Amino acid sequence: QKEVEQNSGPLSVPEGAIASLNCTYSDRGSQSFFWYRQYSGKSPELIMSIYSNGDKEDGRFTAQLNKASQYVSLLIRDSQPSDSATYLCAVNKDNYGQNFVFGPGTRLSVLP
Amino acid sequence: DAGVTQSPTHLIKTRGQQVTLRCSPISGHKSVSWYQQVLGQGPQFIFQYYEKEERGRGNFPDRFSARQFPNYSSELNVNALLLGDSALYLCASGSRVNYGYTFGSGTRLTVV
Repeated sequence: QKEVEQNSGPLSVPEGAIASLNCTYSDRGSQSFFWYRQYSGKSPELIMSIYSNGDKEDGRFTAQLNKASQYVSLLIRDSQPSDSATYLCAVNKDNYGQNFVFGPGTRLSVLP
Repeated sequence: DAGVTQSPTHLIKTRGQQVTLRCSPISGHKSVSWYQQVLGQGPQFIFQYYEKEERGRGNFPDRFSARQFPNYSSELNVNALLLGDSALYLCASGSRVNYGYTFGSGTRLTVV
């Protein structure tokens, strides 16, 4: 079992719809969780972090964490073509170092 | 404020050669990490340094080494280059343990 799993996509949604991106992780002791957006040919950009169970909202983005199910998701409301990118889920395995484990990413395409 | 800066942006090396990649973190950030990203995959953790000490090492061969200088900048060295080392090498800096990283724009290494 891979440490962090994501559907590779592509996930296609129409403009204005809600895009739902999912991520599961294997290490039950993982402490913090991050979503990065990566445009083609660019470096990852941090868009959301979440540390405790529940929802965290930031503008059009909502991160959801369920540690019991080892599941974290990212919802993008009112999706725009500019949201088309690869979304990487990252899990920090410990509180001491910053050994982030990234998933393979989900490619999102927002269709105008 | 300048972000994370990496140099060079692109590099072409021959198998068996050695390469040094450089990174300057965001001012005030004491943590620097290095990641390798192969096309179509998420970044893979190589090293983390905090306050000039190695805090984490990923599953990479001893051909990979790194160090952090008193000004918190960092170098990644790769010896005896293999074709499989061709990738985007990302440097990321952070201000605290367990917080998300900010990535530099990366160095694209091509080994021929």
